[in-house]
Amino acid sequence: AQTVTQSQPEMSVQEAETVTLSCTYDTSESDYYLFWYKQPPSRQMILVIRQEAYKQQNATENRFSVNFQKAAKSFSLKISDSQLGDAAMYFCAYNFGNEKLTFGTGTRLTIIP
Amino acid sequence: AAGVIQSPRHLIKEKRETATLKCYPIPRHDTVYWYQQGPGQDPQFLISFYEKMQSDKGSIPDRFSAQQFSDYHSELNMSSLELGDSALYFCASSLRQTETQYFGPGTRLLVL
Repeated sequence: AQTVTQSQPEMSVQEAETVTLSCTYDTSESDYYLFWYKQPPSRQMILVIRQEAYKQQNATENRFSVNFQKAAKSFSLKISDSQLGDAAMYFCAYNFGNEKLTFGTGTRLTIIP
Repeated sequence: AAGVIQSPRHLIKEKRETATLKCYPIPRHDTVYWYQQGPGQDPQFLISFYEKMQSDKGSIPDRFSAQQFSDYHSELNMSSLELGDSALYFCASSLRQTETQYFGPGTRLLVL
């Protein structure tokens, strides 16, 4: 069974600084998808970024980028120029073949003004 | 852009009552997923439908059932509610070949 591990329950960063959230996963598949979702206090689940495993190039979305290391089964999220609105719970998630999303336990990110 | 719609947004029920949660996927999306998120937990997969057929099943209690209708909306029916069913229930939709699930705002269910 696939598992997703987020080893940092909480992280904090000064406003305008850069922070990296860690995620590792376990799978025997070769073609799969990885995601980062953001859940602010409103508890809406918002897609931040996605990565296809067959692509070697790391995905980027504005201030958000990933470091995808397929051999190490690592998928970290880097947030540059952190803003107050980035404060949220961040979930790493895995998906294979249009199946369910398997989530990590989340990392709560606090932005310090 | 249109998003996933869920109704109701909040629901309060007594133990042993029934509840029906509705989900309207993004237009043209053909796959619907249901997740349950307890307090302080990550979302757990319940069930999914593709083209109105059940495609996958997770840790969904036998007291729960769901279906997807001809207009692609989906309903999650919950009977004999228990205190432990209190949670945030998400519906997500996707276009099958894109692999990306977009979530609705969720329905907060409180069982008293």
